[in-house]
Amino acid sequence: NAGVTQTPKFRILKIGQSMTLQCAQDMNHNYMYWYRQDPGMGLKLIYYSVGAGITDKGEVPNGYNVSRSTTEDFPLRLELAAPSQTSVYFCASSYRADTDTQYFGPGTRLTVL
Amino acid sequence: GQNIDQPTEMTATEGAIVQINCTYQTSGFNGLFWYQQHAGEAPTFLSYNVLDGLEEKGRFSSFLSRSKGYSYLLLKELQMKDSASYLCAVVDSNYQLIWGAGTKLIIKP
Repeated sequence: NAGVTQTPKFRILKIGQSMTLQCAQDMNHNYMYWYRQDPGMGLKLIYYSVGAGITDKGEVPNGYNVSRSTTEDFPLRLELAAPSQTSVYFCASSYRADTDTQYFGPGTRLTVL
Repeated sequence: GQNIDQPTEMTATEGAIVQINCTYQTSGFNGLFWYQQHAGEAPTFLSYNVLDGLEEKGRFSSFLSRSKGYSYLLLKELQMKDSASYLCAVVDSNYQLIWGAGTKLIIKP
């Protein structure tokens, strides 16, 4: 099993550009999550999904969109990138709700200039 | 509001014991996680406590007191590879994970 995979590993965007961060898991997990982690800060939940076709906002959803068309994939879309979106983005998955261990992808380091 | 407090940074000596504390105020409680995160890497699961008491897993132990809103992670026989950040996270009443900012542990020879 590859676990949770994310692409790209690094990306530099200009202000106003858009991009999609890819996330896939091969563990047949129902729950998937997108977090951002700023230096010296805890993980902040952006969006999550409880299954294919079902997504919901987390703590910091503004400026982002998600979709979940399959169990395996959970892409995160950034529209009109802003410097405040400079961060490390982690995708995670778990089999059940939040009392189950979350497995994290390696992260995407995004810089918006 | 919901809040999780951990020390920002701790330093310990190789071979010693260190205790990393976590206090929380959250809307409800459905368990507490500890994750380890090496610099530039993803968090990885260490422990999960939902009942009061001590859970031991090799060199690592985790303690929970729900009445005090308090947990600690105890690391014994410290090794250089234990240098990492340790993240405390609480599952609230909505089954959302609330994350602390993490404690950076520096191990010196």
